[in-house]
Amino acid sequence: GDSVTQMEGPVTLSEEAFLTINCTYTATGYPSLFWYVQYPGEGLQLLLKATKADDKGSNKGFEATYRKETTSFHLEKGSVQVSDSAVYFCALTPFSSGSARQLTFGSGTQLTVLP
Amino acid sequence: DTGVSQNPRHKITKRGQNVTFRCDPISEHNRLYWYRQTLGQGPEFLTYFQNEAQLEKSRLLSDRFSAERPKGSFSTLEIQRTEQGDSAMYLCASSPTGTSGGADWFFGPGTRLTVL
Repeated sequence: GDSVTQMEGPVTLSEEAFLTINCTYTATGYPSLFWYVQYPGEGLQLLLKATKADDKGSNKGFEATYRKETTSFHLEKGSVQVSDSAVYFCALTPFSSGSARQLTFGSGTQLTVLP
Repeated sequence: DTGVSQNPRHKITKRGQNVTFRCDPISEHNRLYWYRQTLGQGPEFLTYFQNEAQLEKSRLLSDRFSAERPKGSFSTLEIQRTEQGDSAMYLCASSPTGTSGGADWFFGPGTRLTVL
């Protein structure tokens, strides 16, 4: 079945440092890929998405590129802020003719940014 | 509309008791999903409704679990004879019909269940 593997955390960085959180996936066909963020006490929020190979999703300074050849969707940010401290989840939905019914998530990566 | 709401936010119960959680989706959303998230893990799919019809259930949803969505509005998730292994965060999400993938999913804040 489909699966998502994320780099293990926790990750601790100083403010303005460069962030990479690795994500690789296993899926048949051409899944859509997502990064979700979960701030303390809040629900999961969509951070960015990519629906086909070589697409780059971006939002709030975060970026991720859909790499079919390496089945990866790594999350990057050039300069993190304390407010970026959260848990980040990589996820996918399978390609289908209709709407996908399930999101498959990775295990999450806890990011802490120190001032 | 303030998004997806879930009640209660926290529930502590003793092993063997029954518990029920409620999810109120965004009002115009036809689709509703339940997920379970244990500590240090990503959310795992439990079940999915389109309007009032429960269209898909995970193997994780044992016979002790039942979910309903009467009239296609709010949904309830009941766990009977709770076990300590049921301790987790239970997440609800909703989306409108016709969306592609998970891009238009909105998650609630979750209900944290602790079984003593």
